[in-house]
Amino acid sequence: DGGITQSPKYLFRKEGQNVTLSCEQNLNHDAMYWYRQDPGQGLRLIYYSQIVNDFQKGDIAEGYSVSREKKESFPLTVTSAQKNPTAFYLCASSLGGARTDTQYFGPGTRLTVL
Amino acid sequence: GQSLEQPSEVTAVEGAIVQINCTYQTSGFYGLSWYQQHDGGAPTFLSYNALDGLEETGRFSSFLSRSDSYGYLLLQELQMKDSASYFCAVRTTDSWGKLQFGAGTQVVVTP
Repeated sequence: DGGITQSPKYLFRKEGQNVTLSCEQNLNHDAMYWYRQDPGQGLRLIYYSQIVNDFQKGDIAEGYSVSREKKESFPLTVTSAQKNPTAFYLCASSLGGARTDTQYFGPGTRLTVL
Repeated sequence: GQSLEQPSEVTAVEGAIVQINCTYQTSGFYGLSWYQQHDGGAPTFLSYNALDGLEETGRFSSFLSRSDSYGYLLLQELQMKDSASYFCAVRTTDSWGKLQFGAGTQVVVTP
């Protein structure tokens, strides 16, 4: 079955540590996205990538980094520079470039900083 | 900049009809999407409107008025499983594939 996987589902880290969240898709989509969701809030875009080896900052990129070395993978690193990293992180992908460009979401990773 | 406004919560009984409004302010509007998210789950796509008018998909319909910068999602014959958050999202002409999401409307369906 095609889809998007994110791991782990729950992640705990100590303050000051970097942590990498995994996102893999087998939908053959060109575009991939990372969102952050806080309780009772909408989705805020962290980074997005339209094609392999290229990515762009979203609205809240500070304290985060990404890479896009393979079409199917778009890992997100939450660095120690992110002041308030506890949140629900969602990865999405889409065909890209089309007028009705539906985004497909993974199950999310809930990160808690202790 | 861009902004989207939608009500924070709507409560209705099973079998009722609920309308979730979304007003937006943006430049270079391309289309309006709706996503559903159950508590703790992943958002899933419901509908997309690029042109004025009503799009119907089963019990759910979505409407767009570009001149009024307004859209709505209509949920008919409400079921308990429709209890979820619903997000409107705007795609603009300067944002290849990117979406700007509203804060979401939590729909609570009661027996």
